[in-house]
Amino acid sequence: RKEVEQDPGPFNVPEGATVAFNCTYSNSASQSFFWYRQDCRKEPKLLMSVYSSGNEDGRFTAQLNRASQYISLLIRDSKLSDSATYLCVVLGGNTGGFKTIFGAGTRLFVKA
Amino acid sequence: EAQVTQNPRYLITVTGKKLTVTCSQNMNHEYMSWYRQDPGLGLRQIYYSMNVEVTDKGDVPEGYKVSRKEKRNFPLILESPSPNQTSLYFCASRTGGNQPQHFGDGTRLSIL
Repeated sequence: RKEVEQDPGPFNVPEGATVAFNCTYSNSASQSFFWYRQDCRKEPKLLMSVYSSGNEDGRFTAQLNRASQYISLLIRDSKLSDSATYLCVVLGGNTGGFKTIFGAGTRLFVKA
Repeated sequence: EAQVTQNPRYLITVTGKKLTVTCSQNMNHEYMSWYRQDPGLGLRQIYYSMNVEVTDKGDVPEGYKVSRKEKRNFPLILESPSPNQTSLYFCASRTGGNQPQHFGDGTRLSIL
């Protein structure tokens, strides 16, 4: 089993749609959680951190459920510019916070 | 401007010819990492460093070496490159605690 698993995708959605990405992690000692966005052949860029209380940034909402070891990202009112790969990232665990594990990513295509 | 700088951005070389990919950050970050990204496998950590002269193996360290003689620099060394090391490589840095990483622009290596 992979340490961080994401929906394989790709997701093809029309503009204006709401899209949900899901991610699960296997190490219950994991400490921090993030969503990154990666455009084709470019470097990953931080989209948002994920907190247990849930957090929102404009059209984006992230949730963390530690009991279920589950992370989600919701994008409302999708834009063409949201087309990218979304990476779930988990930091920490038994190695003392040094190990960063990336999910394989879920590709999103938003179409007009 | 805060940034992580990798060089070269692109390199085509031949099997067995030693090469070094440089990485430098200007944010005084303690932690630095190297990743490779391959289709279907996502980002995998090669090596990481917690501070000067402190490095450790990630998930796929075979065939690679690193050094951290100065806080700002973290070069990746391929002593005898082989075709299976053809990949997209990213350097990243972060400050202490459970903070997100900042990535360089990436280096695309082709080993013939």
